[in-house]
Amino acid sequence: SQTIHQWPATLVQPVGSPLSLECTVEGTSNPNLYWYRQAAGRGLQLLFYSVGIGQISSEVPQNLSASRPQDRQFILSSKKLLLSDSGFYLCAWRGRGRETQYFGPGTRLLVL
Amino acid sequence: AQSVTQLGSHVSVSEGALVLLRCNYSSSVPPYLFWYVQYPNQGLQLLLKYTSAATLVKGINGFEAEFKKSETSFHLTKPSAHMSDAAEYFCAVSEGSGNTGKLIFGQGTTLQVKP
Repeated sequence: SQTIHQWPATLVQPVGSPLSLECTVEGTSNPNLYWYRQAAGRGLQLLFYSVGIGQISSEVPQNLSASRPQDRQFILSSKKLLLSDSGFYLCAWRGRGRETQYFGPGTRLLVL
Repeated sequence: AQSVTQLGSHVSVSEGALVLLRCNYSSSVPPYLFWYVQYPNQGLQLLLKYTSAATLVKGINGFEAEFKKSETSFHLTKPSAHMSDAAEYFCAVSEGSGNTGKLIFGQGTTLQVKP
């Protein structure tokens, strides 16, 4: 069966520090991968998606970047965090040619 | 462009009462529609989905939803609320199983269940 992992689960970082969040998927090949952010009291905002290794599409201009160095690995990064980067970050995957996205457990990021 | 509107950011029901969470969508192509549930500090879990088969879709935990094209709606219902149903619920629309498979989410509805 397929599983999706995210780490760390919780992160507290100072403003201006770098960020690296990791997402990995097991049990499937060549998935579509997605990064979402959920700010307090708000819905889900799609940040990036990837249809293959090295292929990244950005949905909104921001302080963040994404990379996909391996087929089932998706990384969210920042060189310098802003207070507004605080939120709950969710990774999701979708099988190629399928319709459903499946979500990871999320990473809670607090920037102070 | 696709969009989703969830009417009511907060819904409160008594335990045992009917749950009705409203979702209206806008799509220029036949949509795929989803309901997800999120418990505090957790990821989203798929409740049910509509992918152009039967218009009445049954999901997990006793929930069901009906796709009504004429009303562009996909409301979520459960006949009898349980305390464990308290969570946030998201409706989402997709352009289908095309290459990107992006989901457009509503703003979410928080369901409170009172004893």
